[in-house]
Amino acid sequence: AQKVTQAQTEISVVEKEDVTLDCVYETRDTTYYLFWYKQPPSGELVFLIRRNSFDEQNEISGRYSWNFQKSTSSFNFTITASQVVDSAVYFCALSEAGLENYGGSQGNLIFGKGTKLSVKP
Amino acid sequence: ETGVTQTPRHLVMGMTNKKSLKCEQHLGHNAMYWYKQSAKKPLELMFVYSLEERVENNSVPSRFSPECPNSSHLFLHLHTLQPEDSALYLCASSPSDRSGNEQFFGPGTRLTVL
Repeated sequence: AQKVTQAQTEISVVEKEDVTLDCVYETRDTTYYLFWYKQPPSGELVFLIRRNSFDEQNEISGRYSWNFQKSTSSFNFTITASQVVDSAVYFCALSEAGLENYGGSQGNLIFGKGTKLSVKP
Repeated sequence: ETGVTQTPRHLVMGMTNKKSLKCEQHLGHNAMYWYKQSAKKPLELMFVYSLEERVENNSVPSRFSPECPNSSHLFLHLHTLQPEDSALYLCASSPSDRSGNEQFFGPGTRLTVL
């Protein structure tokens, strides 16, 4: 079954601390995509990154970095030197592309429950 | 600046009312989505439209009725809702409904059913 688990419900850090948000996924497909989205208090989800299952290279974008490990089915997200503007709910999501994808649209995103990050000054 | 807009941003309605949520995307995408976000639950996919055809109906009660008159507009018609339907309703669009497409989200409509 397809599932995304974000075990950390809430995290609170002080500005300039590094913080890692965990994401563990389950899928039967060999081809899939993983995403991270940020939801600030305004409500809309903002796309951060997409990774396909064949690309395990870690990625860094400014203060953000992502660690994809198929061996542990994890796709963790690290914010370095956190800032107050990083305060938001962060969602990890999975999209399956293989033949095992059952029913409906292949573009369906399966979201985790989200991790609420609070960065205090 | 988001390419996906939603109106209204807030809506309060009684259980016997009929209302509609509107979503518009200015990105030239072919797929549009409705999601429901309730407190302490994951985002739930409700409906998917691809090229104006509904391709996914995720066991949503019939009191929610989607409409996609063209690839830029998506509506969610609401009637005889229940208090448990109170939630944030998010619209999204993507280039197609194929896997791997990044979805662009609107700001959502915060719905309260009294």
